[in-house]
Amino acid sequence: QKEVEQDPGPLSVPEGAIVSLNCTYSNSAFQYFMWYRQYSRKGPELLMYTYSSGNKEDGRFTAQVDKSSKYISLFIRDSQPSDSATYLCAMALPQPSNNDMRFGAGTRLTVKP
Amino acid sequence: DTEVTQTPKHLVMGMTNKKSLKCEQHMGHRAMYWYKQKAKKPPELMFVYSYEKLSINESVPSRFSPECPNSSLLNLHLHALQPEDSALYLCASSPGLAGGGNEQFFGPGTRLTVL
Repeated sequence: QKEVEQDPGPLSVPEGAIVSLNCTYSNSAFQYFMWYRQYSRKGPELLMYTYSSGNKEDGRFTAQVDKSSKYISLFIRDSQPSDSATYLCAMALPQPSNNDMRFGAGTRLTVKP
Repeated sequence: DTEVTQTPKHLVMGMTNKKSLKCEQHMGHRAMYWYKQKAKKPPELMFVYSYEKLSINESVPSRFSPECPNSSLLNLHLHALQPEDSALYLCASSPGLAGGGNEQFFGPGTRLTVL
């Protein structure tokens, strides 16, 4: 079993749809949870950063962490063609091991006009 | 300045060449990272420097040699690479402060092709 599981997709939605992206993980010690967006042939861009459980909202993006279920989600409201990218979840252990981040496989999202 | 910069953007080298990748950040971050990313795969961690000391080396072959001259700069020296080393090489940095966040900020990457 991989430490972090993420459905690679591809996922295709119409413009304006609500997108739900998810990851599950096996190591209950993970404390830091992140979502990155990566456009083709570019570096990953940090979208959301959450410590421990709970929700976090930033504009059209909402990140949720459910540590009891070992499940994290990213919701994108009113999706736009410019949201078409690969979305990577990532997570890390508490200090002092928090520099070693584990990535999911990435989900390729296409938002069609 | 909230950017991680990397040079060069593209690099083509032969298997006998020696080259270096450079990374720079001016966010005051004390942890810096090298990752390797193959097409349609997530980034794979290679090295971590924390407070300018190598803290993680993920069993990377010795043909890759990292160097951290100061807290803002990170180099990756390349020698005698193989064609399978062709990939996007990403640099990242994070605050690295005790008790602080560890969110990593990535540079745009260097696309390396080994002939």
